[in-house]
Amino acid sequence: EDQVTQSPEALRLQEGESSSLNCSYTVSGLRGLFWYRQDPGKGPEFLFTLYSAGEEKEKERLKATLTKKESFLHITAPKPEDSATYLCAVQAQNTGNQFYFGTGTSLTVIP
Amino acid sequence: NAGVMQNPRHLVRRRGQEARLRCSPMKGHSHVYWYRQLPEEGLKFMVYLQKENIIDESGMPKERFSAEFPKEGPSILRIQQVVRGDSAAYFCASSPGENYGYTFGSGTRLTVV
Repeated sequence: EDQVTQSPEALRLQEGESSSLNCSYTVSGLRGLFWYRQDPGKGPEFLFTLYSAGEEKEKERLKATLTKKESFLHITAPKPEDSATYLCAVQAQNTGNQFYFGTGTSLTVIP
Repeated sequence: NAGVMQNPRHLVRRRGQEARLRCSPMKGHSHVYWYRQLPEEGLKFMVYLQKENIIDESGMPKERFSAEFPKEGPSILRIQQVVRGDSAAYFCASSPGENYGYTFGSGTRLTVV
């Protein structure tokens, strides 16, 4: 069964304290892995798509990496405005266009 | 470009009433998806539609739920005879085709009292 597990569930960082969020996945043929950011009361906002092991994408203080079993979202020198829930989703070869989402990591950056 | 528009943002229904949630995809996007987010749970796929066609409804409950995406107008998610367990945030997303990431709307928060 296709599964996505994110850890930790919650993370509190001091401003400037770098860290990583993990997304472990089990799918029968990965078509793509997606990272989203979700603020309270809003819809998920697209961040990155990764398609193959070894691929990396960067945007400002965020960097996403992918292996055959997991993806990491690295946050370098975070700021309070980076506080949000970060969601990971995978799209599998045999399940059409639907995404499987993890339950997210709630990040709080303290000034 | 207004993005994916969902309305209403908040909807309160009494048990047994009908809920109709609307979604207008981004301009140029012909693929629409509905997801449900329950408290403390991840987003769960419900249905995938293209204009006038349901492509995949494997995540839709068998009873009381239906979805459409007519030739003209928004996509509609309809929940008949709502129960308390239907209370959730319902998100619509759209994409220009397969193998693209989604753009999500801000969601409709349904509360059944």
